[in-house]
Amino acid sequence: NAGVMQNPRHLVRRRGQEARLRCSPMKGHSHVYWYRQLPEEGLKFMVYLQKENIIDESGMPKERFSAEFPKEGPSILRIQQVVRGDSAAYFCASSPPSRVAGGYTFGSGTRLTVV
Amino acid sequence: QKEVEQNSGPLSVPEGAIASLNCTYSDRGSQSFFWYRQYSGKSPELIMFIYSNGDKEDGRFTAQLNKASQYVSLLIRDSQPSDSATYLCAVNRSGGSYIPTFGRGTSLIVHP
Repeated sequence: NAGVMQNPRHLVRRRGQEARLRCSPMKGHSHVYWYRQLPEEGLKFMVYLQKENIIDESGMPKERFSAEFPKEGPSILRIQQVVRGDSAAYFCASSPPSRVAGGYTFGSGTRLTVV
Repeated sequence: QKEVEQNSGPLSVPEGAIASLNCTYSDRGSQSFFWYRQYSGKSPELIMFIYSNGDKEDGRFTAQLNKASQYVSLLIRDSQPSDSATYLCAVNRSGGSYIPTFGRGTSLIVHP
């Protein structure tokens, strides 16, 4: 039973390029959450999605960031025109519909480095 | 005012001692509280959750909740060097999609 799968584990992008981070939830989980963790800081909520639906994007920066969770395939967090300040660890978590929000299983994360 | 506050530490305790980690929160309507452990360079791992006032025990871990004081804590008995990690407190918002807010975490060091 695979856990939450994130790829790539490490991603290096030059300023101005696009970054695509992928997350496959655990089997049976239909809720996906994206968090960002900057060095020496806590986890910051970005977006909460269900299949084909964005439920809460209150933590997403207004520009350059977008997320989707299509009917088929993984959830994608997309960052356009990356800047150095986007360098961080991005974690995806998933939960079944019955689990109260917060009891997450996290993926291993994607470490994004913008050079 | 920060929504979820934790002392960043590091908290240093000797092996075998009790480690006490504390967290305060500002949202009086919060109903669900979580403790995650995060080893350096790894992802957070859920270790405890608590919904009701009082204590909840699971092995060497005890979570304590006092909603009147808006305070939640985690006790680790018989601390081991393998417990050395950052401990993140998470508290559900009382409205909207109930997404939890995380504190910055407390670094725990258990020395032999």
